[in-house]
Amino acid sequence: AQSVTQLDSHVSVSEGTPVLLRCNYSSSYSPSLFWYVQHPNKGLQLLLKYTSAATLVKGINGFEAEFKKSETSFHLTKPSAHMSDAAEYFCVVGDTGRRALTFGSGTRLQVQP
Amino acid sequence: NAGVTQTPKFRVLKTGQSMTLLCAQDMNHEYMYWYRQDPGMGLRLIHYSVGEGTTAKGEVPDGYNVSRLKKQNFLLGLESAAPSQTSVYFCASRPTGLSYGYTFGSGTRLTVV
Repeated sequence: AQSVTQLDSHVSVSEGTPVLLRCNYSSSYSPSLFWYVQHPNKGLQLLLKYTSAATLVKGINGFEAEFKKSETSFHLTKPSAHMSDAAEYFCVVGDTGRRALTFGSGTRLQVQP
Repeated sequence: NAGVTQTPKFRVLKTGQSMTLLCAQDMNHEYMYWYRQDPGMGLRLIHYSVGEGTTAKGEVPDGYNVSRLKKQNFLLGLESAAPSQTSVYFCASRPTGLSYGYTFGSGTRLTVV
């Protein structure tokens, strides 16, 4: 079965500094990978997705992620954090067995002024 | 377009009571899902449906039942609510092709006392 591991439950950065949220995946084939964001008391919004095209994927709000098969990683980055980026971020993998998405446990990003 | 609509948004139940959560989508999506979100655990799949008249168990199906009598609606039922079912419930839908990702509803916050 496919799974994802988010390596940090909390990340704190200062406004204007880079963001790195780490995700490793487990899959026996080339997976579909996603990052979703959830702002406080809100629903989930798709940030970006990887579906075996370019390994560097650009998403909304300046976020991007790089698929590295050799490292089984799909880390999310942003060059400069903004206060509005404070939210919970989920790394997600497609599970073709259940034809569903499997979610990581989430990383809460805090942005300090 | 409304996308995915969940009703109700909030509910408080007493232990042993029953209720039904409704999910409606207007995008003609084949696949629909119910997840629950608990702190530190990400989203866990309860049940899902790959088309009208079909349902299947996910990761945490015990204590829940579902029905999909119409393509646009996916109902989640709790026959006898327990405090362990206190959670935020999300419905999602997607077209054929897991690489599309999901469209999520805004969630239902359920408290069982």
